[in-house]
Amino acid sequence: EPEVTQTPSHQVTQMGQEVILRCVPISNHLYFYWYRQILGQKVEFLVSFYNNEISEKSEIFDDQFSVERPDGSNFTLKIRSTKLEDSAMYFCASRWTGGTEAFFGQGTRLTVV
Amino acid sequence: QQPVQSPQAVILREGEDAVINCSSSKALYSVHWYRQKHGEAPVFLMILLKGGEQKGHEKISASFNEKKQQSSLYLTASQLSYSGTYFCGTVIMDSNYQLIWGAGTKLIIKP
Repeated sequence: EPEVTQTPSHQVTQMGQEVILRCVPISNHLYFYWYRQILGQKVEFLVSFYNNEISEKSEIFDDQFSVERPDGSNFTLKIRSTKLEDSAMYFCASRWTGGTEAFFGQGTRLTVV
Repeated sequence: QQPVQSPQAVILREGEDAVINCSSSKALYSVHWYRQKHGEAPVFLMILLKGGEQKGHEKISASFNEKKQQSSLYLTASQLSYSGTYFCGTVIMDSNYQLIWGAGTKLIIKP
C-alpha cells in the first residue's frame, strides 16, 4: 500500500541551527501539507502546497520556514534558525484531490536544545 | 475558520456510546475525521462530502448536515481500541482545498 514517508524519524538540533525535514508524498498526489504538533497539543496547520507553489500558509509559517519540492518526489520543510519552541512532531501529508483523504507520514520529532 | 469540536473530552466505559460534534461557520465542501493515538500519526477514519450523507465504518459512523455546517461522529458500543484523540478537519468551499483541523476531542475508554 502506498504511504507517505518522512525522514528522519527524530532529529535533535542546537538552537539557531538550520534543519531540513524530508517527506516523500504518495506519487500521484497533488496536494502536500506540513503540520506540526507540540507535545500534548493539537495538530497545527503550517502550509499547503499545490502546483509547485504555496497555496495557503498559517501565521506560524513565518520567514524562518520554507518549503520546496526539489525534484519530482521529495517535499521538504526547512527551518532556517531553530528556536526552542520549534520542538514538536512535524507531520507531512499528501492528498490527491479535494474530496479524498489525506495520508499522513509517521512524523519527524524535532528536538531543539 | 477553525472548526469547533465538542466535547473537549469524553470518558466512557467499554460498550458505551459517544457522539463527537464538529461545526463550522463557513460553507463546507467536506468534513474529514481522523483518530490519533498518543505518539502516533493521525489515522484517517472517513470523509463526508457536501450532500448530507452518512457514512459508516465498523461501529463508527458519521453524518454531515450541510445546512448547519455540522458533522457528528458516532461511536457505538465503544471498544478499548477506540481510545485516542478525534480530530475533524474541514475543507471550506472555495478555499483551494485547505484542510483545517479542529482542536480535537479526547476519548478515554475504560474497561
